[in-house]
Amino acid sequence: NAGVTQTPKFQVLKTGQSMTLQCAQDMNHEYMSWYRQDPGMGLRLIHYSVGAGITDQGEVPNGYNVSRSTTEDFPLRLLSAAPSQTSVYFCASSYFSGGAWNEQFFGPGTRLTVL
Amino acid sequence: AQRVTQPEKLLSVFKGAPVELKCNYSYSGSPELFWYVQYSRQRLQLLLRHISRESIKGFTADLNKGETSFHLKKPFAQEEDSAMYYCALQIQGAQKLVFGQGTRLTINP
Repeated sequence: NAGVTQTPKFQVLKTGQSMTLQCAQDMNHEYMSWYRQDPGMGLRLIHYSVGAGITDQGEVPNGYNVSRSTTEDFPLRLLSAAPSQTSVYFCASSYFSGGAWNEQFFGPGTRLTVL
Repeated sequence: AQRVTQPEKLLSVFKGAPVELKCNYSYSGSPELFWYVQYSRQRLQLLLRHISRESIKGFTADLNKGETSFHLKKPFAQEEDSAMYYCALQIQGAQKLVFGQGTRLTINP
């Protein structure tokens, strides 16, 4: 199993450009999520999904869109990039078992710089 | 609102010394707490969760509901423990995690 994969690893954008960060998992996990990691602020939840066709907002959703058309993929779209979106982005997945959600498995991250 | 606080951004101890990473939480429901660790050039990964009551890599953490704390402890630090540590709170009935700000632990030889 590849686990959780993310592409690209690095990206530089200009203000106003749009792009999609890709996330895929091959573990058949129901839950997928996107976090951003900023110095001194830990990880903050952007959007999450508990299954195909179901998405919801996290703590910091503004400026980002998501969709979940398949169990495997959960892309994150930046509609019009801003310097405040410079961050490291992590995708994570998890599964429900034994009456509870289990640990989250994280991808390697995408480092995004917006100029 | 739910919140996780890790008061120390940086913590430096000598090899062989005890280490304690502090974590306090604010949550009205029944908390489920985790410690995640990120070693250099590696992914964020689960270290331990309070319901399992395990000792992983010599680390333990006890949930203290009275003090709303979930401190991570290890009696004898090793150099390979150097990493970024995050305390996280799972919202009851959901999979959403609320992370603390993180503590960068450095073990000096």
